[in-house]
Amino acid sequence: DSGVTQTPKHLITATGQRVTLRCSPRSGDLSVYWYQQSLDQGLQFLIQYYNGEERAKGNILERFSAQQFPDLHSELNLSSLELGDSALYFCASSARQGARDTGELFFGEGSRLTVL
Amino acid sequence: GQSLEQPSEVTAVEGAIVQINCTYQTSGFYGLSWYQQHDGGAPTFLSYNALDGLEETGRFSSFLSRSDSYGYLLLQELQMKDSASYFCAVRDLNQAGTALIFGKGTTLSVSS
Repeated sequence: DSGVTQTPKHLITATGQRVTLRCSPRSGDLSVYWYQQSLDQGLQFLIQYYNGEERAKGNILERFSAQQFPDLHSELNLSSLELGDSALYFCASSARQGARDTGELFFGEGSRLTVL
Repeated sequence: GQSLEQPSEVTAVEGAIVQINCTYQTSGFYGLSWYQQHDGGAPTFLSYNALDGLEETGRFSSFLSRSDSYGYLLLQELQMKDSASYFCAVRDLNQAGTALIFGKGTTLSVSS
């Protein structure tokens, strides 16, 4: 158990709909990352938040948005869903204050989104 | 930009040794990480090399050569439970953050 909690675990919805994925980072971690993993793709970095502020953006579509709240949990909002958005969405956390950077991210179990 | 290359598949038998290579291209370098992911599960951290040389953690070792932009993960005394995907990753230095960019992964199949 990494300590990172993601909900929901599974989600089935229709094209054109909007969904929200939630992530609670490991206790004390200030950074939250969102990754997308499709069947034939590796882990694609979407976005990072650090202590409530956006820190880095990857290949995130304009239809997608995210935020990190004062309690450090994060939400990823996916709108106008398309069939191609079906994927596993992972949240990861890192960066306890004062901890040495070891290249380690702690991943949640993921949210599997199916768009029909 | 940054890119990582690793073989798509590797097969081996129980008890054997297997090496998964990773070459990377990046304008700067902050270290090479390795992750394991069982089918449908969460990626889990295996090792991190910031400096040249070999890092050993039990049956797994990781090697880095910064001059060659190359690293590998060495798995010894293979067990069936080692069947998984293995990803190498580098820090995304195009950004101000600390996100990792992952290779496409190597699927390791261990047979008896």
